[in-house]
Amino acid sequence: GESVGLHLPTLSVQEGDNSIINCAYSNSASDYFIWYKQESGKGPQFIIDIRSNMDKRQGQRVTVLLNKTVKHLSLQIAATQPGDSAVYFCAENGAGGTSYGKLTFGQGTILTVHP
Amino acid sequence: GAVVSQHPSRVICKSGTSVKIECRSLDFQATTMFWYRQFPKQSLMLMATSNEGSKATYEQGVEKDKFLINHASLTLSTLTVTSAHPEDSSFYICSARGIAGGKINEQFFGPGTRLTVL
Repeated sequence: GESVGLHLPTLSVQEGDNSIINCAYSNSASDYFIWYKQESGKGPQFIIDIRSNMDKRQGQRVTVLLNKTVKHLSLQIAATQPGDSAVYFCAENGAGGTSYGKLTFGQGTILTVHP
Repeated sequence: GAVVSQHPSRVICKSGTSVKIECRSLDFQATTMFWYRQFPKQSLMLMATSNEGSKATYEQGVEKDKFLINHASLTLSTLTVTSAHPEDSSFYICSARGIAGGKINEQFFGPGTRLTVL
């Protein structure tokens, strides 16, 4: 089946640094990608999304980059704060077949921000 | 934004009993609801998709007779774990999708329900 994977399971940064979390996906037909933040014991929280017809999208302190050539997705967090410490998941939205409209989540990256 | 609630937030039950978890979309109509399971230090795995008024479709490997899903209205879906066993202990998360905020594909997630089976 299709899968979404992450290169780095853990990432530790100092407060104020920029963080980059990476994700590789395998379904070239996916039309929509989302980054979620999950704090311990809580549900996923939407951060930012990007459609497959875009390369870059910026939000408040966050930027998502999509490279369809190598099927790679990244989340950049500027001026990382301790409150950003959480697990970050990428997810892809299936665009066809049995995966249509379903989200497939990556394995997750644990981001730890040290004050 | 669209709000999804789950009840209860945590439940402890004895092995062999059944547990019902509710998922509600509070400020929008959810034509589709999804149920995920998340084991500790793992990712979310889709269990099933339910559309209002029709039978749920289950992902491969998920027992439909064990995990009963009902989506009787556009704001409520329930997941019943029947004859629960310790291996069913997990974090169950629902999401809802409807026409909310203009994003047709967007799923809004609930806060999750922690199930512990003794």
